[in-house]
Amino acid sequence: QVQLQESGPGLVKPSETLSLTCTVSGGSISSYYWSWIRQPPGKGLEWIGYIYYSGSTNYNPSLKSRVTISVDTSKNQFSLKLSSVTAADTAVYYCARRGYYYDSSGVLHWYFDLWGRGTLVTVSS
Amino acid sequence: QSVLTQPPSASGTPGQRVTISCSGSSSNIGSNTVNWYQQLPGTAPKLLIYSNNQRPSGVPDRFSGSKSGTSASLAISGLQSEDEADYYCAAWDDSLNGPVLFGGGTKLTVL
Repeated sequence: QVQLQESGPGLVKPSETLSLTCTVSGGSISSYYWSWIRQPPGKGLEWIGYIYYSGSTNYNPSLKSRVTISVDTSKNQFSLKLSSVTAADTAVYYCARRGYYYDSSGVLHWYFDLWGRGTLVTVSS
Repeated sequence: QSVLTQPPSASGTPGQRVTISCSGSSSNIGSNTVNWYQQLPGTAPKLLIYSNNQRPSGVPDRFSGSKSGTSASLAISGLQSEDEADYYCAAWDDSLNGPVLFGGGTKLTVL
């Protein structure tokens, strides 16, 4: 079965760049959208952005100036870079698969149907 | 503050039916489908309901979803202790807020 696993440093210094990778195992990264979602300690979920396997991206407007998501289909991985981090970026970061389909009326149906276990990233000097 | 509004907390006793609401606007719930996620303590969220009222394989039929206008609801019947979790609604948004929005989450306590 398909599984997602986040990896990367658990501690990042303020003003530096947070870098995480999500490895997709048990299936191909092709034909799906892949997302990053984060959750500050004790708070709710925040969508960061997604990438299609072909490389097209869409980002949360509030983070867009600092976010880059990329994909490496040869490694079945996609990655997140978040620049100029502050303590407010401390969170559990999840990678997730976004499934979707269009119904007969052309309405988009989408959902995050597969999630990684998450990785805590702390921003601190 | 989230664009999709959920009550911060809800509670019920075992066997009871509880509902959790999610209020949005014409640019999100009013024109797009709604998903619900369950997050048990210390774990990643899990897809509970998609496309307003569809259950993924393996989700008990005690869980149901509905949508009317710019609001959606998650209902849990026959409440069980293992249902104690945080629940999040999510929707696509056609405005500059989007495209993906999550509600602020509702913590469900089974008394």
